[in-house]
Amino acid sequence: GIQVEQSPPDLILQEGANSTLRCNFSDSVNNLQWFHQNPWGQLINLFYIPSGTKQNGRLSATTVATERYSLLYISSSQTTDSGVYFCAVDNRWAAGNKLTFGGGTRVLVKP
Amino acid sequence: EAQVTQNPRYLITVTGKKLTVTCSQNMNHEYMSWYRQDPGLGLRQIYYSMNVEVTDKGDVPEGYKVSRKEKRNFPLILESPSPNQTSLYFCASSAAGFYEQYFGPGTRLTVT
Repeated sequence: GIQVEQSPPDLILQEGANSTLRCNFSDSVNNLQWFHQNPWGQLINLFYIPSGTKQNGRLSATTVATERYSLLYISSSQTTDSGVYFCAVDNRWAAGNKLTFGGGTRVLVKP
Repeated sequence: EAQVTQNPRYLITVTGKKLTVTCSQNMNHEYMSWYRQDPGLGLRQIYYSMNVEVTDKGDVPEGYKVSRKEKRNFPLILESPSPNQTSLYFCASSAAGFYEQYFGPGTRLTVT
């Protein structure tokens, strides 16, 4: 099956700093999503981005499908950005729209 | 508001006592899935449904049952829960084809 790797696994930021999270995947994809899992365990949809670039406030994402990676940018980080960020993909071999998740990047933003 | 709801959000139960976790979506989505999340193992698909009365096994179906009698509902049934089913469970839905998936708020289940 498709492999999804995220880096770095852990990230500690000072409030106000910028950061880039990376997601590499091993096959072509039809769907790529970024999620934020908050401290209460909820998975929050950030972006649906199988290709191209999108922005939502302080967050933006870019997927380069031909090179099989996606980047999530966090600018002017805030303590509420803490949590785990997941990249998830599916492709034409995935029955039932199964998403394969990366291992996540655990982000801690310090005040 | 477009959403996926799950109930209960938290549940502590004992081995062998049948339970059902409900999932409902209001977006008229064809596809629905159940995932479980465990430390070190990530999120794994349990079962999925591509439409009413169409369900199939995901990666970790053992010990679970599902049904899809109505388009909006996709309950997860544990007929005889065991401690290894202690986990965080998510329901998800999407339109047919490769479209954005929407996740419910999660159900934290503990089986003692």
